[in-house]
Amino acid sequence: DAGVIQSPRHEVTEMGQEVTLRCKPISGHDYLFWYRQTMMRGLELLIYFNNNVPIDDSGMPEDRFSAKMPNASFSTLKIQPSEPRDSAVYFCASSLGGYNEQFFGPGTRLTVL
Amino acid sequence: GESVGLHLPTLSVQEGDNSIINCAYSNSASDYFIWYKQESGKGPQFIIDIRSNMDKRQGQRVTVLLNKTVKHLSLQIAATQPGDSAVYFCAETPVTGGGADGLTFGKGTHLIIQP
Repeated sequence: DAGVIQSPRHEVTEMGQEVTLRCKPISGHDYLFWYRQTMMRGLELLIYFNNNVPIDDSGMPEDRFSAKMPNASFSTLKIQPSEPRDSAVYFCASSLGGYNEQFFGPGTRLTVL
Repeated sequence: GESVGLHLPTLSVQEGDNSIINCAYSNSASDYFIWYKQESGKGPQFIIDIRSNMDKRQGQRVTVLLNKTVKHLSLQIAATQPGDSAVYFCAETPVTGGGADGLTFGKGTHLIIQP
């Protein structure tokens, strides 16, 4: 298995632009998580899905952030409009079952100018 | 949720020595604890986990200890190797209703291995 796949690996955009981050979880995993990592705040959970259904989005910072999981093999995290304070590394993780090892992707490093 | 924090931001050890990384958590409802290792430019990688009905669990060269009385978690790495250099995170989540919650991560400890 290729593991969790994220794209793009790096994204540089200007303030106000729309940004879409993509994630392909490990085949067969039923949970998908989106995290954000910054030096100041560390790793923070943004949202997670179970069987493609959003379960908890309380970590999504603002309405500018949205996430979807149209099928078991694909999820997106969208920021519209983006702001410089959104600059961070965004990780996607998946797991089989809710209380088992989460496998993380390599992350997307987002820079908003 | 409540925060999970680490006592020391940086730990420097000699190659071959044992390392102990500590973590304090404040959520008394936490039932599931995990240690992750993150190397530069990579995503966190699972090391070992422990549930609240246990106080010790061993893996290959690693041991996790859980003291629920004082809400303390530690990761012991035996015979530290250069490849162990990384940032180590503890994470926790309460086990609720058969579902899942996302992990709450501590800030991390940077383990530096000296030759």
